Amino acid sequence: GENVEQHPSTLSVQEGDSAVIKCTYSDSASNYFPWYKQELGKRPQLIIDIRSNVGEKKDQRIAVTLNKTAKHFSLHITETQPEDSAVYFCAASSDSNYQLIWGAGTKLIIKP
Amino acid sequence: EAQVTQNPRYLITVTGKKLTVTCSQNMNHEYMSWYRQDPGLGLRQIYYSMNVEVTDKGDVPEGYKVSRKEKRNFPLILESPSPNQTSLYFCASSLRGEATQYFGPGTRLLVL
Repeated sequence: GENVEQHPSTLSVQEGDSAVIKCTYSDSASNYFPWYKQELGKRPQLIIDIRSNVGEKKDQRIAVTLNKTAKHFSLHITETQPEDSAVYFCAASSDSNYQLIWGAGTKLIIKP
Repeated sequence: EAQVTQNPRYLITVTGKKLTVTCSQNMNHEYMSWYRQDPGLGLRQIYYSMNVEVTDKGDVPEGYKVSRKEKRNFPLILESPSPNQTSLYFCASSLRGEATQYFGPGTRLLVL
């Protein structure tokens, strides 16, 4: 079955710098890759997603890139701000398997 | 307002005392799912349901039961809770399994 690995488990960056979180997946049939953000004490919420027919998607300061050949996708946050501090989860699924398979999460710390 | 609700939000119980955590969504979503979240382990899926009367095991189903008699409700049942089921539980729903998942606010359970 599908397996999603996420790195790093913790990431600490200076405010204003960029942060990159990477995920790899095992099932080549996977075609949907969302990213969720979970602030402390709150529920996970979708921040961006990408489907396998595109290589990159941007939404203001966040972007996701997908490399289908290498089976990995990444979340990029530019000009980080204190409110970006949270745990970020990647996930993957396919049309044939209606389950989202989740990465273990990355705790992003923004240092003032 | 479109939402996923869970009750109760907090629960302290004792080993062996049956309990039910309710989950309800008002978005007419077909797919519903239960997760547990433990420190360092991310989100682990317990059970999911692709439609009414259709349920399937996730990654950690032992000790849990679910039912999907109506589209909007997906209760989680712990027939005989044990201390290792102390956790934060999230219900989620989506149009389809591979679409955006909307999470409930979470239920924090302590089993003594």
